[in-house]
Amino acid sequence: DQQVKQNSPSLSVQEGRISILNCDYTNSMFDYFLWYKKYPAEGPTFLISISSIKDKNEDGRFTVFLNKSAKHLSLHIVPSQPGDSAVYFCAAITYGGATNKLIFGTGTLLAVQP
Amino acid sequence: GAGVSQTPSNKVTEKGKYVELRCDPISGHTALYWYRQSLGQGPEFLIYFQGTGAADDSGLPNDRFFAVRPEGSVSTLKIQRTERGDSAVYLCASSRVGTDTQYFGPGTRLTVL
Repeated sequence: DQQVKQNSPSLSVQEGRISILNCDYTNSMFDYFLWYKKYPAEGPTFLISISSIKDKNEDGRFTVFLNKSAKHLSLHIVPSQPGDSAVYFCAAITYGGATNKLIFGTGTLLAVQP
Repeated sequence: GAGVSQTPSNKVTEKGKYVELRCDPISGHTALYWYRQSLGQGPEFLIYFQGTGAADDSGLPNDRFFAVRPEGSVSTLKIQRTERGDSAVYLCASSRVGTDTQYFGPGTRLTVL
């Protein structure tokens, strides 16, 4: 069962516009949600995170919104730049057990057109 | 400072062979993770080390997979009797402690012919 879902495999936006990447989850016990960016032939790079007790976290051009009642989060990138073109993974984590493993979605390929 | 490094970057082997994949975590990071990413999927958890011990190996798919971290730093993922379905990118991540942000290496792309 897929606990973290990214239903859009790809997204194309124009440079300067807003990119919105979406993520849904099923496990209400997740403590943190994270976004990672991945370029080809590189490992995922941490971008931004949000605690389950918050509803928004902002870092420069990147903002993550969390809607716990809907079990939905989104990453907003504004303005989008061509260098933002990459695969974006949503991930979730539960602390307090024997492990702190990340549960990843399947990723969304973002293409920012110049 | 240096990030997580993984060697080799690419490994091609034949079905039935044994392979070892190496991970050098960021210096001072006590937590180390192995993930596997198949084509079109997100990374999937394999095993988690806290120091030298495997705190959680629930993600290892079967007993052909084994990982060690004898001195609490470098880790080796070992796969015996490789199968074509083992072909994937194997990612290593480390963090200062278990509750901290995980930093990933570039991965090893394993191809089993």
